[in-house]
Amino acid sequence: ILNVEQSPQSLHVQEGDSTNFTCSFPSSNFYALHWYRWETAKSPEALFVMTLNGDEKKKGRISATLNTKEGYSYLYIKGSQPEDSATYLCASTTGANNLFFGTGTRLTVIP
Amino acid sequence: SQTIHQWPATLVQPVGSPLSLECTVEGTSNPNLYWYRQAAGRGLQLLFYSVGIGQISSEVPQNLSASRPQDRQFILSSKKLLLSDSGFYLCAWFAGGHYNEQFFGPGTRLTVL
Repeated sequence: ILNVEQSPQSLHVQEGDSTNFTCSFPSSNFYALHWYRWETAKSPEALFVMTLNGDEKKKGRISATLNTKEGYSYLYIKGSQPEDSATYLCASTTGANNLFFGTGTRLTVIP
Repeated sequence: SQTIHQWPATLVQPVGSPLSLECTVEGTSNPNLYWYRQAAGRGLQLLFYSVGIGQISSEVPQNLSASRPQDRQFILSSKKLLLSDSGFYLCAWFAGGHYNEQFFGPGTRLTVL
């Protein structure tokens, strides 16, 4: 079992603000890091999968970076919108078919 | 394209009653299947996974069990529910490759009273 931690646990931001949150994972035997977006009453939706140290991924206003040597990833949202309100989950894997999830960061964007 | 179904969507059960949650996947064959639970204030916890028919691995000791009677069917059961079994249950599948990316069903909200 991998210990994956996310911070903060919850976050409230004003519409238009940019924000970021952190995922920490064991750097040994690292294979991949996944970010998911989970809206209330819906299925978690895959955002990014990251594998290489220094990886940067971007999808619209959302981007993520990866540091495998120190075991962390940042997720950034630029110009937050109310529709960005969701729980953002990260999950790490060593390649043995399983994902180990953090507790998530619950983002609320206030109009 | 692949689709994953779960039912029921919500369930309210008394303590001590049995449980059966079902998950089916369409559009893929021989997937790995997973049951996760999110309890209040907690992260997604892996409960069971299966790499094939009749093959079940349990990640945490509990009063739940899982079965895989068919290639694309995964069932989560309990003989007697506890209050602590309340939570949101998600089924997921993985068909290999792409760094173990998993795809999730819509989930079941279980409340045990």
